[in-house]
Amino acid sequence: AQSVTQPDIHITVSEGASLELRCNYSYGATPYLFWYVQSPGQGLQLLLKYFSGDTLVQGIKGFEAEFKRSQSSFNLRKPSVHWSDAAEYFCAVGARPEYGNKLVFGAGTILRVKS
Amino acid sequence: GAVVSQHPSWVICKSGTSVKIECRSLDFQATTMFWYRQFPKQSLMLMATSNEGSKATYEQGVEKDKFLINHASLTLSTLTVTSAHPEDSSFYICSAPRGSYNEQFFGPGTRLTVL
Repeated sequence: AQSVTQPDIHITVSEGASLELRCNYSYGATPYLFWYVQSPGQGLQLLLKYFSGDTLVQGIKGFEAEFKRSQSSFNLRKPSVHWSDAAEYFCAVGARPEYGNKLVFGAGTILRVKS
Repeated sequence: GAVVSQHPSWVICKSGTSVKIECRSLDFQATTMFWYRQFPKQSLMLMATSNEGSKATYEQGVEKDKFLINHASLTLSTLTVTSAHPEDSSFYICSAPRGSYNEQFFGPGTRLTVL
């Protein structure tokens, strides 16, 4: 079974500063990897996803993530954070369809942006 | 494309009553759908996999007699919380897979409050 670790529960960055949210996964095969964002009381919004191919993935809102197989990581980055980016971010690892297609979510990282 | 809806978006009920939540794939068909639960300030946890035309598959620790799942058609899955209690108050989110990678598309969620 797959698992996901987001080591940072809270992160605070200044507006305009760069951001990196960490995500480590455990899975026996090449995983499907996702980052989602959730504002309070809202549903999930997909930021980006990795299935195969280029390990540097571009997403919406200026986010990117890099799949590093050797480190079992899929860290989310943004060069310049905006106040509207304050939210909770979830990394998820998905099993391939032949293995049940289940998604397992990390515990989440709450991002606070200070002006 | 790939829109998933949920109804209702929020519901308040008395302890001991049953509540039904619908999950619909609006523009595609899904032989499986997934139900997640998110307690306040926590991550999403997979509850069960809904299978069209057959029984749902429940995750360990999820009471199948309490959380009844019916996948009546290729576009509709329902989750019924039977004899709800305050500890069942949570955010319930469904998803449906689509595409060659079976990427999961999430509904907006249903907030259940049991008084």
